[in-house]
Amino acid sequence: ETGVTQTPRHLVMGMTNKKSLKCEQHLGHNAMYWYKQSAKKPLELMFVYSLEERVENNSVPSRFSPECPNSSHLFLHLHTLQPEDSALYLCASSQDRDRGDEQYFGPGTRLTVT
Amino acid sequence: GNSVTQMEGPVTLSEEAFLTINCTYTATGYPSLFWYVQYPGEGLQLLLKATKADDKGSNKGFEATYRKETTSFHLEKGSVQVSDSAVYFCALRYSNYQLIWGAGTKLIIKP
Repeated sequence: ETGVTQTPRHLVMGMTNKKSLKCEQHLGHNAMYWYKQSAKKPLELMFVYSLEERVENNSVPSRFSPECPNSSHLFLHLHTLQPEDSALYLCASSQDRDRGDEQYFGPGTRLTVT
Repeated sequence: GNSVTQMEGPVTLSEEAFLTINCTYTATGYPSLFWYVQYPGEGLQLLLKATKADDKGSNKGFEATYRKETTSFHLEKGSVQVSDSAVYFCALRYSNYQLIWGAGTKLIIKP
């Protein structure tokens, strides 16, 4: 595997389910990001981790819970979601958070909440 | 506040046509400007960037010039191909990692 991978690629879940999205980067980067991409709306930055420490949480509802066990892996735990949470969730990584390094994106997980 | 506005799509062109996708921004200070591309089923990829006024970013035949006087960063390509069909995002960076994104413009190239 190379670059940034995300699993699953597609997920359908009910509002009472609990699921997790997984991201793995194979680039040796130190910073990882979760974005939400909704149709015809700009990307929204949800969370930022730098060296496994959460450094940004942009007023995201608590039904989204990130976890970064090491610098290569990032999870987004989902519970009691709402239909408006249906979107493409993108993971990205960069060498460092604060140097303005290019962010490399995974292919995303297409989430549908029913 | 900082914002990015880009033209709504989809933009549909024939192969070998000239492409322009408009992007304008509002920002305090001197942000860096970017174009990202998202091919079907893939994540976003950096296409080109410019870090100061009058800089021209270029890659794969695409170009964009950082115009401070018109606060614009329009994407152009002289002759598009079917393989250029994708969604294109304009973005500005106002801190070391915070990016402000446009809503994206879908480009469809017909053979």
